Amino acid sequence: DAKTTQPPSMDCAEGRAANLPCNHSTISGNEYVYWYRQIHSQGPQYIIHGLKNNETNEMASLIITEDRKSSTLILPHATLRDTAVYYCIVAPFSGGYNKLIFGAGTRLAVHP
Amino acid sequence: EPEVTQTPSHQVTQMGQEVILRCVPISNHLYFYWYRQILGQKVEFLVSFYNNEISEKSEIFDDQFSVERPDGSNFTLKIRSTKLEDSAMYFCASSEPGGSTDTQYFGPGTRLTVL
Repeated sequence: DAKTTQPPSMDCAEGRAANLPCNHSTISGNEYVYWYRQIHSQGPQYIIHGLKNNETNEMASLIITEDRKSSTLILPHATLRDTAVYYCIVAPFSGGYNKLIFGAGTRLAVHP
Repeated sequence: EPEVTQTPSHQVTQMGQEVILRCVPISNHLYFYWYRQILGQKVEFLVSFYNNEISEKSEIFDDQFSVERPDGSNFTLKIRSTKLEDSAMYFCASSEPGGSTDTQYFGPGTRLTVL
């Protein structure tokens, strides 16, 4: 089973920030937080990952609480094309292969 | 930007037939994976592959399934005798060895329809 809890759905107005929460209260010290999204039935798209520091890239920002038990993915200016299912996944770093365990994710609807 | 590619995009087959789904992982990646997603359900891990052998497989990956890296670029998933319940999207993914993380990059998927 997935080790994360996410709200099943969220709405966001176009141009506003979308803040997607994730709870991972049983996360271990060597586990990273990964975020992926899936638009329609396309392949999951990698967004961002982090261990304990906040991270930012061209797509999003990831805020991880100090105790690492929860995180928030921030899409700073959501567009209609950001409508997708967003998955928060916790996985250990192994230096090699890993398997991702997907939950149901959060279905984000961005509306005009 | 390098990407994982998959062919065909859609495969229709009769129950009991063999199918081979093909993937071209990102060129410098050495870890390969197959996942599947039945319509309306979660993405499920099937198998991981490294150094020409299976690293891990799920309960779904039974004797009807096999994987192969037949050459330096392709990675294939074979289903020997398809069942109706094999109808799903199949996603290939790859990751880079020895990096600071194990980030996996996914292909666009193959939709398998078993009639």
